[in-house]
Amino acid sequence: EADIYQTPRYLVIGTGKKITLECSQTMGHDKMYWYQQDPGMELHLIHYSYGVNSTEKGDLSSESTVSRIRTEHFPLTLESARPSHTSQYLCASSDGTSYGDTQYFGPGTRLTVL
Amino acid sequence: GNSVTQMEGPVTLSEEAFLTINCTYTATGYPSLFWYVQYPGEGLQLLLKATKADDKGSNKGFEATYRKETTSFHLEKGSVQVSDSAVYFCALSSDTGRRALTFGSGTRLQVQP
Repeated sequence: EADIYQTPRYLVIGTGKKITLECSQTMGHDKMYWYQQDPGMELHLIHYSYGVNSTEKGDLSSESTVSRIRTEHFPLTLESARPSHTSQYLCASSDGTSYGDTQYFGPGTRLTVL
Repeated sequence: GNSVTQMEGPVTLSEEAFLTINCTYTATGYPSLFWYVQYPGEGLQLLLKATKADDKGSNKGFEATYRKETTSFHLEKGSVQVSDSAVYFCALSSDTGRRALTFGSGTRLQVQP
C-alpha cells in the first residue's frame, strides 16, 4: 500500500487568490512528480524533483511553482489563480533506483477557480 | 519524443464479456510499459507493468504483453465485472533521464450487469 497524501481533495476559490496544494509521502522516495489532468482525462507532467532542492519544469508549461525542502514534502503553489487553472492535480513519487520502478499516486486535488 | 496512443472510449461491455484495450507507443531505447487504472474520484493505481520485450504483466485477471516488434501493450481480461468500470491509462517511462510517465489519453470502461 502506497502512502502518498494530497490535501485538500477539493478546492473552490476565486480568481486572484494564492493557493498551495500539499503533497506528502512516507516512503522515503527521492523522485516526486506533479501531473495535471485536464477534463478530457489526459495527464501531463508539470513538475519534477530528483530530490531535496532539485526541481525541474515538466513537459506541459505551467504557471505554478514547486519546492522540495524536505524529502517527504513537495508542495505546488499558484501565486494568482485563474479559471484556466481549473483542473485535477495529481502528485506521485518513486524510489527511482531501478529500471521500470513504479510511480505511486496520491488521490489528487480537484481545483476549481471561479 | 515519446508518445502513447490508446483506444478511444467509452467502451461499454456486458458483465463476463472479453475486454481488449489497444495501446501502441513510440519511444527511443527500451521503455518500461504500464497500465494504470483510475476509479471515480480517486488517483491512479498501478494495474500491471512490463519492463522488457516479451514480458507479460498480469494482475486481477488483467494481462498485457510487451511487444517490441509491434510497439504495443494491449490490455486484456477474459471476463469483466461491474467493479472493473473505471478509466484505464497506458503509459511508458524512458530507460534514461527523469523517467517520468508519458500517458495515453485514457479509455473509459463501463461494464453493465
